[in-house]
Amino acid sequence: KNEVEQSPQNLTAQEGEFITINCSYSVGISALHWLQQHPGGGIVSLFMLSSGKKKHGRLIATINIQEKHSSLHITASHPRDSAVYICAARANYGGSQGNLIFGKGTKLSVKP
Amino acid sequence: ETGVTQTPRHLVMGMTNKKSLKCEQHLGHNAMYWYKQSAKKPLELMFVYNFKEQTENNSVPSRFSPECPNSSHLFLHLHTLQPEDSALYLCASSHGSLQYFGPGTRLTVL
Repeated sequence: KNEVEQSPQNLTAQEGEFITINCSYSVGISALHWLQQHPGGGIVSLFMLSSGKKKHGRLIATINIQEKHSSLHITASHPRDSAVYICAARANYGGSQGNLIFGKGTKLSVKP
Repeated sequence: ETGVTQTPRHLVMGMTNKKSLKCEQHLGHNAMYWYKQSAKKPLELMFVYNFKEQTENNSVPSRFSPECPNSSHLFLHLHTLQPEDSALYLCASSHGSLQYFGPGTRLTVL
């Protein structure tokens, strides 16, 4: 069992819908990252958070440390949001850099 | 454009070939990383360099040989690869916790 689990694995939505992607982890962490990977491979860091909630445009990320759970929300989804969203937990072991442990990703497809 | 570039973007090689992947960043970051992304599997950390020193080798086979000549450049030398090594190889750099990823090299081993 992977130490970072994401759900759902695949998600299809209609333009304008509110989207939630979930991430659960089983290790102690110092931070949690949400990444976006577009077709072709390039990865962009969306959020890094260690508590509470962060918002950037239509994207909102929340984390509940006690429950070891994070969610990524997209409001008013758009076809350009179509991508793979990856949750990565920075374990609080493994040296000064820490190890990023990645989920398998959630493939989001937003239909016009 | 994240400031991390990788070349080549696509590479096809035979099992007896020797090739190198290149990563470059001019963000002033002190740490650089190689990751492997195989189909339907999570990203796997391969190597970490911090101030040009290798600080992590995540049990990677010796047919993958990293080189970090300076804090802006990172190479991954490949030799006698196997077809199962076909994957997307991603480079990243960081200063602190946030990592910036390159576009990746799509490697196919025949």
